[in-house]
Amino acid sequence: NAGVTQTPKFQVLKTGQSMTLQCAQDMNHNSMYWYRQDPGMGLRLIYYSASEGTTDKGEVPNGYNVSRLNKREFSLRLESAAPSQTSVYFCASSDLTQYFGPGTRLTVL
Amino acid sequence: QKEVEQDPGPLSVPEGAIVSLNCTYSNSAFQYFMWYRQYSRKGPELLMYTYSSGNKEDGRFTAQVDKSSKYISLFIRDSQPSDSATYLCATTSGTYKYIFGTGTRLKVLA
Repeated sequence: NAGVTQTPKFQVLKTGQSMTLQCAQDMNHNSMYWYRQDPGMGLRLIYYSASEGTTDKGEVPNGYNVSRLNKREFSLRLESAAPSQTSVYFCASSDLTQYFGPGTRLTVL
Repeated sequence: QKEVEQDPGPLSVPEGAIVSLNCTYSNSAFQYFMWYRQYSRKGPELLMYTYSSGNKEDGRFTAQVDKSSKYISLFIRDSQPSDSATYLCATTSGTYKYIFGTGTRLKVLA
């Protein structure tokens, strides 16, 4: 039982490049989330998916897109990366409490 | 005003001390309360979960919720250097919206 897994662990991009962060959970949860964590700002919700086939914007969705591929997988895409998107990204899934993945550390130069 | 307020610390205590970590929240609709521990460069790990008011104990950890004053606490007894981490409180009304505190950094000195 791996819980929530994320790939990649680290990534460096140049401004304007695109990339997709992958997330998968094996706990059969309906809900999945993407957060970013920045010093002094705490966890901020980017997008969430209440169930397979639905996605909704969170607090800071600009510059991001998501895909709920199936019940297990929820991906986050940066179409044109900007330095302001340098952050640590966490995926989570939930029944009532949230369970987090190990994070992706992204630097945009 | 933030919906959840948490003192960022850092909080330094000697090994064996009792640690008290606290958060306040503003929305009386919040019903579920959680504490997460986050080690450096790791994801948040669920420590404790409580529903409504009252206490919940798990080993050296006790979570306490006082809904009348909108105050949540985490107590750590006999603190150990391995407890050094950032502790985040979180709450939800049971919908898809979770509100997290910004975290308190704790350092337990050997």
